[in-house]
Amino acid sequence: EIVLTQSPGTLSLSPGERVTLSCRASQSVTNNYLAWYQQKPGQAPRLLIYGASNRATGIPDRFSGSGSGADFTLTINRLEPEDFAVYYCQQYGTSLTFGQGTKLEIK
Amino acid sequence: QLQLQESGPGLVKPSETLSLTCTVSGGSISSNSYYWGWIRQAPGKGLEWTGSIFYTGSAYYNPSLKSRVTISIDTSKNQISLKLTSVTAADTAVYYCARGVRHPGYHFYMDVWGKGTTVTVSS
Repeated sequence: EIVLTQSPGTLSLSPGERVTLSCRASQSVTNNYLAWYQQKPGQAPRLLIYGASNRATGIPDRFSGSGSGADFTLTINRLEPEDFAVYYCQQYGTSLTFGQGTKLEIK
Repeated sequence: QLQLQESGPGLVKPSETLSLTCTVSGGSISSNSYYWGWIRQAPGKGLEWTGSIFYTGSAYYNPSLKSRVTISIDTSKNQISLKLTSVTAADTAVYYCARGVRHPGYHFYMDVWGKGTTVTVSS
């Protein structure tokens, strides 16, 4: 099983700032099949990024994904109030596993 | 607009079988572009993939749950179902139904999710 480790566990930032979230896999992810999701309290997750760097339909361009192999990042430029949420990475190259999540909270 | 709606009992007794249904509207479940599956989230915890199924009936499961999980598909009703046997308190979670966008082979990410249904395992 591929284990995904997300860091940090929690981040406290202010609107307008830039943030980079990390997702590290225990082994290389096949074809960079890595997705990112955003989840707000009481809601289902929302797809942000697939294939490591492709934005999903309707996702603002302040969200970007990068990385390859076993190291991936999600960057959010100019944080908006609605961006404060929990973010999960998910690999789908070998079966399917999720990271434990990074909580982005307002400072 | 595609919508997924989960339904089923909110309370299940320990050692019994959890059964949930996901009804898909606004699109056909009989597509070779998508998988359909279940992801769960225990209270205050992260996401855990349970399993997914293709319209042909080919199903893939999380290895940690494989011995207890069965996912089936009814294309005539545009529904998928989840059965989880011998449940314990550890199976208490919100269960989400989700569509998986298929890549060649057995690879998919989830692009459309239901709102989720809460299942509590308790006597």
